[in-house]
Amino acid sequence: GQNIDQPTEMTATEGAIVQINCTYQTSGFNGLFWYQQHAGEAPTFLSYNVLDGLEEKGRFSSFLSRSKGYSYLLLKELQMKDSASYLCAVRDHDSGAGSYQLTFGKGTKLSVIP
Amino acid sequence: KAGVTQTPRYLIKTRGQQVTLSCSPISGHRSVSWYQQTPGQGLQFLFEYFSETQRNKGNFPGRFSGRQFSNSRSEMNVSTLELGDSALYLCASSRQGQGSEQFFGPGTRLTVL
Repeated sequence: GQNIDQPTEMTATEGAIVQINCTYQTSGFNGLFWYQQHAGEAPTFLSYNVLDGLEEKGRFSSFLSRSKGYSYLLLKELQMKDSASYLCAVRDHDSGAGSYQLTFGKGTKLSVIP
Repeated sequence: KAGVTQTPRYLIKTRGQQVTLSCSPISGHRSVSWYQQTPGQGLQFLFEYFSETQRNKGNFPGRFSGRQFSNSRSEMNVSTLELGDSALYLCASSRQGQGSEQFFGPGTRLTVL
């Protein structure tokens, strides 16, 4: 099984930088995704990490350390529209079944205030 | 390119009834995964279908079942509904399965009274 932990809620100021952490425990780690979900909407893909290091995509960056079972999502120059839940999801490879399974954390609700 | 569509968007049922939800994936996507989302448990994996075969299954009771058709459209069925089944049911499609980027539909909001 998998255990994924991320903070339940965070608050940050418009224009600032915020880091959302995710820790995980898994036996067959094969990648980590971050999704954004606005209230009442479906999740949308933000980033994917499978190797250690930082992946940058505009204002959003995602970092992975496989040895530490740790990832973070970094949001720069925060905007009000960034208020949403951010879901960390870990991909696990089942070598027996030859398939992958994606397990989501419970999400971090980010509130951006003026 | 059309996105993932789900029908119906909202549904109200009573305990003991059954319900069928439908999901049409993005054209060319062969994998459809179903998730249940509740405020307390977050997004929980139900099952994944790939080329008409159930490939992965989460930890849900047998009342939850699904199938996939040759055109990749998928249906999910819940029998003998319980109050705790009230949730947002999301489906996600991808080209190769849960190992690749998934695109989510808008969801079906099920309320069980």
